[in-house]
Amino acid sequence: KAGVTQTPRYLIKTRGQQVTLSCSPISGHRSVSWYQQTPGQGLQFLFEYFSETQRNKGNFPGRFSGRQFSNSRSEMNVSTLELGDSALYLCASSLQVQGTDTQYFGPGTRLTVL
Amino acid sequence: GIQVEQSPPDLILQEGANSTLRCNFSDSVNNLQWFHQNPWGQLINLFYIPSGTKQNGRLSATTVATERYSLLYISSSQTTDSGVYFCAVLETSGSRLTFGEGTQLTVNP
Repeated sequence: KAGVTQTPRYLIKTRGQQVTLSCSPISGHRSVSWYQQTPGQGLQFLFEYFSETQRNKGNFPGRFSGRQFSNSRSEMNVSTLELGDSALYLCASSLQVQGTDTQYFGPGTRLTVL
Repeated sequence: GIQVEQSPPDLILQEGANSTLRCNFSDSVNNLQWFHQNPWGQLINLFYIPSGTKQNGRLSATTVATERYSLLYISSSQTTDSGVYFCAVLETSGSRLTFGEGTQLTVNP
């Protein structure tokens, strides 16, 4: 089985722009979660989608949004980019995140905001 | 929310040495995973271990859920073991992983 894929792998944007990141989960997995990793804050949960519905959301401003499609692929969008949004964005998939399933991570998208 | 603490924060070893990494968590969990983050940033699954002991080659892990800690053992370390090791837990009532701050392991030849 193919693993979790994320595109693009690297991205450079300027302040004020918006960006869309994509994540394709492992085939058959219905849950997709997003995490942000920065040197200062570590790995932090952004949101989780299951069957096209957002089930859980982390403590991030409304500029961060996401969605999930019927094929379980997910996108996250960051509007009005700030310098502090520079980070590694990781996506994880699992069969069903109900506390008993392993989460598998993609390679990440490294976003740099200038 | 749940707190996850990892120790030590940094560890430097000579190739061939053994090591133990620890993860303490503050509340009951349904899911505990250990990851190795490679130099390119990808989190590689090592163990899914909410309780008990598992082994995979030179690596093994033990979680004592009642005492709220987990240990990752690396034996006969190799330079390719270098990187950051993360412990992450899923709260019993939640669907998000909470990560520790990681242990930066450096294995010198």
